[in-house]
Amino acid sequence: NFMLTQPHSVSESPGKTVTISCTRSSGSIASNYVQWYQQRPGSSPTTVIYEDNQRPSGVPDRFSGSIDSSSNSASLTISGLKTEDEADYYCQSYDSSKENVVFGGGTKLTVL
Amino acid sequence: EVQLVESGGGLVQPGGSLRLSCAASGFTFSSYWMSWVRQAPGKGLEWVANIKQDGSEKYYVDSVKGRFTISRDNAKNSLYLQMNSLRAEDTAVYYCARDPSGSYNWYFDLWGRGTLVTVSS
Repeated sequence: NFMLTQPHSVSESPGKTVTISCTRSSGSIASNYVQWYQQRPGSSPTTVIYEDNQRPSGVPDRFSGSIDSSSNSASLTISGLKTEDEADYYCQSYDSSKENVVFGGGTKLTVL
Repeated sequence: EVQLVESGGGLVQPGGSLRLSCAASGFTFSSYWMSWVRQAPGKGLEWVANIKQDGSEKYYVDSVKGRFTISRDNAKNSLYLQMNSLRAEDTAVYYCARDPSGSYNWYFDLWGRGTLVTVSS
């Protein structure tokens, strides 16, 4: 089994670009797809990226996802930051060895 | 409208039981794996359990094995979570979530608004 580690918090100014990392502790990041969820305060999570780099309909193309095998990590990049992007972001993957879903601990994005 | 609506949460004493329900609408419920995901107050997301389209396979996080049971009724478009021997650490908002992956690469594309379970004496 593995863990997904995210930075506790990141902050950036409106209009800028921010990247949130998600590092897999063991096994290859490429073994199973990575998803990203946005959770605004008081709301349920919503999917912003699925299957590493796919955007659901309705998610702006300011959101992009990628994986990097050299660092064994996934990244969520948000460009042209807006105040409405301020939220908690969670990465998630599937642990086939334990038949479990694994979430990262979440990253609080502050847009100031 | 495509939606999931949870119900059944509340205050329960340690050692007690509770049954959560999730009503699905606007999509073909029987075509999807379904999951329960919880979030303790001020904490992150934790997957709890899931169930295959026909109910033939069920999986649980280790911390709830033997205490929680996931089930579904496709005729009623409903998902359930029977929670027994509840502990203080089970206190959380419980979300019902739809899995569109159609295979063993579980993730979620639709979430309910959640129902709060509080375990306290």
